[in-house]
Amino acid sequence: GQQVMQIPQYQHVQEGEDFTTYCNSSTTLSNIQWYKQRPGGHPVFLIQLVKSGEVKKQKRLTFQFGEAKKNSSLHITATQTTDVGTYFCAVLTTDSWGKLQFGAGTQVVVTP
Amino acid sequence: DGGITQSPKYLFRKEGQNVTLSCEQNLNHDAMYWYRQDPGQGLRLIYYSQIVNDFQKGDIAEGYSVSREKKESFPLTVTSAQKNPTAFYLCASSIGGARRSYGYTFGSGTRLTVV
Repeated sequence: GQQVMQIPQYQHVQEGEDFTTYCNSSTTLSNIQWYKQRPGGHPVFLIQLVKSGEVKKQKRLTFQFGEAKKNSSLHITATQTTDVGTYFCAVLTTDSWGKLQFGAGTQVVVTP
Repeated sequence: DGGITQSPKYLFRKEGQNVTLSCEQNLNHDAMYWYRQDPGQGLRLIYYSQIVNDFQKGDIAEGYSVSREKKESFPLTVTSAQKNPTAFYLCASSIGGARRSYGYTFGSGTRLTVV
């Protein structure tokens, strides 16, 4: 099936710093979704990107879809302890119905 | 409040036993899914259902079975044929297929441990 690579796998961030996590595909994507899973919790939908070059913001989080629609990034500004968790990107499979396939995630640890 | 309820939260299974995980949603979503998550890893699709009385195998369906007799319910049975069932199981739902979806809604999960 279609695969997406998320990098980095782990990210240690000092509180107040910025960081970026990336989701890359070898094929063109129709859309991409991002989820956050807090430690011990379940994934929560954050956002969906559909258009080439699309940029969406949610407070300190900025999501971008690449111009070629083969990659996406999540940038967090001024990291807070509440940002701790694993961030997953998910893409549609290429079958007709289109299920979501999740990346392996970026686990974010925030140091106060 | 609308949402997805998974039960139990923790489940312990003996070798050779079948166990059933419950998933109920009151979101009026057509599509439901079961994912498995192993420590430090992403989500792998076990089964999915687009509509009542219909379901399809996902990437890792061996050793699992499901039913979809009601729109609201999508129980997962982990059979004795599943050799490594210890994992975190997540149920999700969405409005129709992912192509029309604004995202999946997940339940709080069931942690299954073989003892």
